[in-house]
Amino acid sequence: DIQMTQSPSTLSASVGDRVTITCRASRGIGSWLAWYQQKPGKAPNLLIYKASSLEVGVPSRFSGTGSGTEFTLTITSLQPDDFATYYCQQYGNFSPLTFGGGTRVEIK
Amino acid sequence: QAQLVQSGAEVKKPGASVKVSCKTSGYSFSKHCMHWVRQAPGQGPEWMGYINPSDGDTTYAQKFQGRVTITRDTSTSVVYMELSSLRFDDTAVYYCARDQGEWELPFWYFDLWGRGTLVTVSS
Repeated sequence: DIQMTQSPSTLSASVGDRVTITCRASRGIGSWLAWYQQKPGKAPNLLIYKASSLEVGVPSRFSGTGSGTEFTLTITSLQPDDFATYYCQQYGNFSPLTFGGGTRVEIK
Repeated sequence: QAQLVQSGAEVKKPGASVKVSCKTSGYSFSKHCMHWVRQAPGQGPEWMGYINPSDGDTTYAQKFQGRVTITRDTSTSVVYMELSSLRFDDTAVYYCARDQGEWELPFWYFDLWGRGTLVTVSS
């Protein structure tokens, strides 16, 4: 299985900050990576797919980069609605699809 | 508007089975593969498997092979996930999640999720 490692596990930030989350794959997955946002008690919500493609309706302050084994999710100018947990998911090897352990973005 | 409505919370004893339903609406049922993903308390999501609703073809994660069965009812546009031989560590929220790909070409990521069904395994 491909292991997905996210860092940091928790991030403290203020409204207006630029935030970067890293996701590393245990082996190369090309650009086959998605990012999700999850709020407490809710299902994950797709933000980005194919490493850098923004899902329809997602604000442009979210962006993704990377390929191979290292990927980043950046939120420019953090908004109050962005305090949540973020997960990466690889689909370069679909058997099985795997997720990272999550990065919780909390208010500083 | 497309949506996925899941069945309610369940409490089961170890060794029992649970069957969770996912009623789809607002889009063509056969157009998108459907996955099941679970999330234990405080953990990241874990993919269990998926079904192609047009022909019923399924693929399961090896971890769940032999214990999970995903089926669909095309007459009611409902997808089911049954997990057998339940253990304490099967306690989790179980989600159905729609594949963004269309017409039997999965993209392997998920653009629409159900609200989740809490399955608690307790003696």
